[in-house]
Amino acid sequence: DGGITQSPKYLFRKEGQNVTLSCEQNLNHDAMYWYRQDPGQGLRLIYYSQIVNDFQKGDIAEGYSVSREKKESFPLTVTSAQKNPTAFYLCASSISGTSGSETQYFGPGTRLLVL
Amino acid sequence: GQNIDQPTEMTATEGAIVQINCTYQTSGFNGLFWYQQHAGEAPTFLSYNVLDGLEEKGRFSSFLSRSKGYSYLLLKELQMKDSASYLCAVRDQDYKLSFGAGTTVTVRA
Repeated sequence: DGGITQSPKYLFRKEGQNVTLSCEQNLNHDAMYWYRQDPGQGLRLIYYSQIVNDFQKGDIAEGYSVSREKKESFPLTVTSAQKNPTAFYLCASSISGTSGSETQYFGPGTRLLVL
Repeated sequence: GQNIDQPTEMTATEGAIVQINCTYQTSGFNGLFWYQQHAGEAPTFLSYNVLDGLEEKGRFSSFLSRSKGYSYLLLKELQMKDSASYLCAVRDQDYKLSFGAGTTVTVRA
């Protein structure tokens, strides 16, 4: 089955700790995205990548980092610099990221909680 | 920046029709999407509009007026499983998606 997987489903972070959220896709998509979803707010773009070894900051990149070493994988690290990390994190992918009509497909999400 | 507005909540009865409005102001326009999201789950694609007019897909239809910066999603013959959040998203000139906060629809028996 083709799709996007995210792990873990729930993640707990202690003060001062960095944590990494996994996102893998087997759709052969070039573009991948990370969003953050908070109650009462729309999805906000953290980082996106349209090709391996390249990525761009989204609207709320501060306190986050990413890598894109493989086409299938786009892990997100929430660093200790992110002071309010509690949120639902969604990974998405699309064919190229450069076409108006293409759909973004979403993974099941990771809920991050701070201890 | 982008500004996308949609109502926070709507309630309707099973079998009825509900219309969810979305207004937007964006830098450039490369299409408008509607997604459905059940609580705690991933958003799933419902519809895409880039030209003015109505797109119909079974019980769901979506309308776009670019000159008015306005879209609506029409849900007909409501079923209990339609209880979810509906997200309006606009693709800008850089092909990035900006999302509204979502409209929670509750379907009552």
